[in-house]
Amino acid sequence: QKEVEQDPGPLSVPEGAIVSLNCTYSNSAFQYFMWYRQYSRKGPELLMYTYSSGNKEDGRFTAQVDKSSKYISLFIRDSQPSDSATYLCAMSVFSGGYNKLIFGAGTRLAVHP
Amino acid sequence: ETGVTQSPTHLIKTRGQQVTLRCSSQSGHNTVSWYQQALGQGPQFIFQYYREEENGRGNFPPRFSGLQFPNYSSELNVNALELDDSALYLCASSWGGVQNTGELFFGEGSRLTVL
Repeated sequence: QKEVEQDPGPLSVPEGAIVSLNCTYSNSAFQYFMWYRQYSRKGPELLMYTYSSGNKEDGRFTAQVDKSSKYISLFIRDSQPSDSATYLCAMSVFSGGYNKLIFGAGTRLAVHP
Repeated sequence: ETGVTQSPTHLIKTRGQQVTLRCSSQSGHNTVSWYQQALGQGPQFIFQYYREEENGRGNFPPRFSGLQFPNYSSELNVNALELDDSALYLCASSWGGVQNTGELFFGEGSRLTVL
């Protein structure tokens, strides 16, 4: 079993839809939770960053963490074609004196006009 | 503030050759991490450099090695290239030490193809 599970999609939605992206994890030691957006053939770009259970909102994006269920989500409201990308969840664990990120496989999202 | 820059952006090598990839960290960051991203997969942690020393390593063989320089830039070296080494290699920088929260800022990556 992978430490971080993420449905690879692809997910196709019409413009204006609400998108829900999810990840589950198994390691209780994860401390910080992130969502990255990656356009084709580009590096990942940090979208959202949280460290506690609950919701964090930034514009059209809301990150949700449920540590008791080991489940995180990213919601995108009023989705736009420019949101078409791969969304990677990532979790940080501090071990052996350093932090490293464990990524999900990424969910490909296509928003069509 | 300059972001993370990587070079080269694309390169093609043959099996058994060696490759060096370069990274300049974001201004103010003293920690560099390298990740390998195979097609259709999430990035996998290779190693991390802090104050010019490797302070963490993922499940990669010793033929993957690196350096960090006094200006915090970094190199990733891969010897005896194998076909499975074909991937996007990502460099990420951060502020290290006990305040490190794991938040990383990535470059655009170097796409390596091994034939």
